[in-house]
Amino acid sequence: DSGVTQTPKHLITATGQRVTLRCSPRSGDLSVYWYQQSLDQGLQFLIQYYNGEERAKGNILERFSAQQFPDLHSELNLSSLELGDSALYFCASSVMGDFNYGYTFGSGTRLTVV
Amino acid sequence: GEDVEQSLFLSVREGDSSVINCTYTDSSSTYLYWYKQEPGAGLQLLTYIFSNMDMKQDQRLTVLLNKKDKHLSLRIADTQTGDSAIYFCAETREDNYGQNFVFGPGTRLSVLP
Repeated sequence: DSGVTQTPKHLITATGQRVTLRCSPRSGDLSVYWYQQSLDQGLQFLIQYYNGEERAKGNILERFSAQQFPDLHSELNLSSLELGDSALYFCASSVMGDFNYGYTFGSGTRLTVV
Repeated sequence: GEDVEQSLFLSVREGDSSVINCTYTDSSSTYLYWYKQEPGAGLQLLTYIFSNMDMKQDQRLTVLLNKKDKHLSLRIADTQTGDSAIYFCAETREDNYGQNFVFGPGTRLSVLP
């Protein structure tokens, strides 16, 4: 157990729907990062939050949004889902806003859009 | 190029050494990392190397860094079946949004009995 908790582990939904993925960072970590892992795109950085504020943004679609709550858990919202959104979504956390000692990853949420 | 590059597949026999190679792009990266992803799991930080080091050894793992060629390698001695996984190298890179990790595509290591 890495200490980063992601729920649900698996999610199957239909095109056009909206889902919310949840991440609880490791105790003491202020930064949360979201990544998408798909077969054709590899591991893509989506967005980072640090202590409730958006800090960095990567290749995140406008249909996707995220937030970090006062208790530091984070949610990734995916809307108007398309077949191509099927992927593993990982959350990672780190102690500080930077990551010189590496991230700790959760075990991911596998999203299947049918 | 702009991408962190790795060969996609590597097969070795149990007990042999494995060498996984990576070419990165940002010479200003302070740290370079190796992550391991086992089936159905997230990425686990294996080791990292500070950019002013040439080599780092940690039990069966040896990381070599050639800054001139921007080449990073991970050697696993006495490879075991439990080492079968996908190995990602990663660099830190600064862009318009700040600093970020950039991962390679991953090398799938298969250990044959």
